[in-house]
Amino acid sequence: GENVEQHPSTLSVQEGDSAVIKCTYSDSASNYFPWYKQELGKGPQLIIDIRSNVGEKKDQRIAVTLNKTAKHFSLHITETQPEDSAVYFCAASGSGGSYIPTFGRGTSLIVHP
Amino acid sequence: EAGVVQSPRYKIIEKKQPVAFWCNPISGHNTLYWYLQNLGQGPELLIRYENEEAVDDSQLPKDRFSAERLKGVDSTLKIQPAELGDSAVYLCASSLGVAGAVQYFGPGTRLTVT
Repeated sequence: GENVEQHPSTLSVQEGDSAVIKCTYSDSASNYFPWYKQELGKGPQLIIDIRSNVGEKKDQRIAVTLNKTAKHFSLHITETQPEDSAVYFCAASGSGGSYIPTFGRGTSLIVHP
Repeated sequence: EAGVVQSPRYKIIEKKQPVAFWCNPISGHNTLYWYLQNLGQGPELLIRYENEEAVDDSQLPKDRFSAERLKGVDSTLKIQPAELGDSAVYLCASSLGVAGAVQYFGPGTRLTVT
């Protein structure tokens, strides 16, 4: 089955800095890569996703890049704000006919004002 | 538009007691998922429904866990009897379709077994 590794587990930045979270996946058949943000006491919420036919996608201050050859994808957040503080999960799906995403272990992002 | 609704939000029970969680998906979403989320980890799928049919239930511990989705809308997840190791957050999600479909998660039910 699919295996998703996510790093770092904790990321502390100053307000205004950029934050980068990296994930690798094992199954080359995976073709859909969503990123979720989970705030305390809430369920994960999709913030951006990318499919295997593109290499990069941007939405205001967040962007995701995908390298299919190396089987890794990254989340980039620019101009971080305190409200960006949360746990971020990457996921991969679409392998071998199964469309259920496999999630990484999460990155706790702390943005200091 | 209302999101995925789950109840209760919190539940504390003693081991060996039964417990049930309820989920109401987004209107029109035919696919419903139950996930288990342990502290410091990502969600892990327990079971997926397509309409009324349960599929992808290989990770559901069937000796103590059961689920149903009558009429293809609301769903209930039950544990009987609960064990200490069942303490976790139980998340429900729904989507329109499956392949590459965006999943919308509810707030989850935090279960504590004492």
